[in-house]
Amino acid sequence: KAGVTQTPRYLIKTRGQQVTLSCSPISGHRSVSWYQQTPGQGLQFLFEYFSETQRNKGNFPGRFSGRQFSNSRSEMNVSTLELGDSALYLCASSLGRGDTDTQYFGPGTRLTVL
Amino acid sequence: AQTVTQSQPEMSVQEAETVTLSCTYDTSESNYYLFWYKQPPSRQMILVIRQEAYKQQNATENRFSVNFQKAAKSFSLKISDSQLGDTAMYFCAFMNQKLGAQKLVFGQGTRLTINP
Repeated sequence: KAGVTQTPRYLIKTRGQQVTLSCSPISGHRSVSWYQQTPGQGLQFLFEYFSETQRNKGNFPGRFSGRQFSNSRSEMNVSTLELGDSALYLCASSLGRGDTDTQYFGPGTRLTVL
Repeated sequence: AQTVTQSQPEMSVQEAETVTLSCTYDTSESNYYLFWYKQPPSRQMILVIRQEAYKQQNATENRFSVNFQKAAKSFSLKISDSQLGDTAMYFCAFMNQKLGAQKLVFGQGTRLTINP
């Protein structure tokens, strides 16, 4: 099976702009989770989508939003970019069941905000 | 809220040696999973091993094994016969088993270097 894919791999934006990141899960996986990784804060959970519904949300401002499509692909949007949004954004997919669930990660999107 | 602590920011061993990475966690939940992920310089997060909290038997995957002490809330990773390709950041992570609460909570990571 193909793994989790993320596009684009690298992005450079300026403050105030908005950005959309995309994640395609492993075939058959219905849950997609997003994480932000920074040197200062480490890995932090953003949100999880399952069957096109947000099922869980982390402690991030409303500028961070996401959605999931019927084919389980997910997008994450960050509006009004700030310098502190520079990070590696990782998405992970899983079956989304309560039992034996394991998240598999994509290669990440490196976002730089200037 | 759950927390995960990795007390060793960096470790370095010689190739073929055995190394143990420490992890402790705090939770009031009884049903959960614990994971070790590795993140090499490519930044791809790779699953190393998984442990279900209800299982008393420690998980093993080839050269990787864990020592899971539920009462002590400890979950260490042992790498036997270490190889150069094991050089990476290693993250310990906790996940609640409840649907709707299945986010990974990560420790700060241990940077492991395997020297030739």
